[in-house]
Amino acid sequence: SQTIHQWPATLVQPVGSPLSLECTVEGTSNPNLYWYRQAAGRGLQLLFYSVGIGQISSEVPQNLSASRPQDRQFILSSKKLLLSDSGFYLCAWSPPPGRYEQYFGPGTRLTVT
Amino acid sequence: AQSVTQLDSQVPVFEEAPVELRCNYSSSVSVYLFWYVQYPNQGLQLLLKYLSGSTLVKGINGFEAEFNKSQTSFHLRKPSVHISDTAEYFCAVSAGGSNYKLTFGKGTLLTVNP
Repeated sequence: SQTIHQWPATLVQPVGSPLSLECTVEGTSNPNLYWYRQAAGRGLQLLFYSVGIGQISSEVPQNLSASRPQDRQFILSSKKLLLSDSGFYLCAWSPPPGRYEQYFGPGTRLTVT
Repeated sequence: AQSVTQLDSQVPVFEEAPVELRCNYSSSVSVYLFWYVQYPNQGLQLLLKYLSGSTLVKGINGFEAEFNKSQTSFHLRKPSVHISDTAEYFCAVSAGGSNYKLTFGKGTLLTVNP
């Protein structure tokens, strides 16, 4: 069966510090991968998605970036965090072509102070 | 482009009562529809999905949803709720295609009271 991992689970970082969140998927090959942000009291905002290694599409201009160095690894980064980057970050994957549902990881709670 | 409207931001109900969470969508093409549940400080869990075929879809935890193309709706129902159903529920739509993006509604907080 497939599983998705995210770490860390929680993170408190000062403004201006760098960020690296990691997501890995097990039990599948060539998944589509997604990063979402969920701010308090708001819905899900798609940040990035990837259909293959090194292929990243950005949905929202911001100070965040994403990379996919391996087939089942997706990394969210920032060089300098802003207060507005606080939120709940969710990674998701979707199965190979023909199916459209996404499966979510447990999330990372980021607080920028 | 697709959009999703969840008509109620909060729905309070008593335990063992029936519940309906409403979802309407707009899309210029055929759609695929989903309901997700999110418990506090957790990721989203897929409850059920409509891809094609029967318009009545059954999911996990006793939930079901009905796809109504003429009314562009995909309402979620459960005949008898439990305290443990207290959570945020999200409706989502995909138009398919090559990138498989989902458009989510803003969520409905279901609170089940004893």
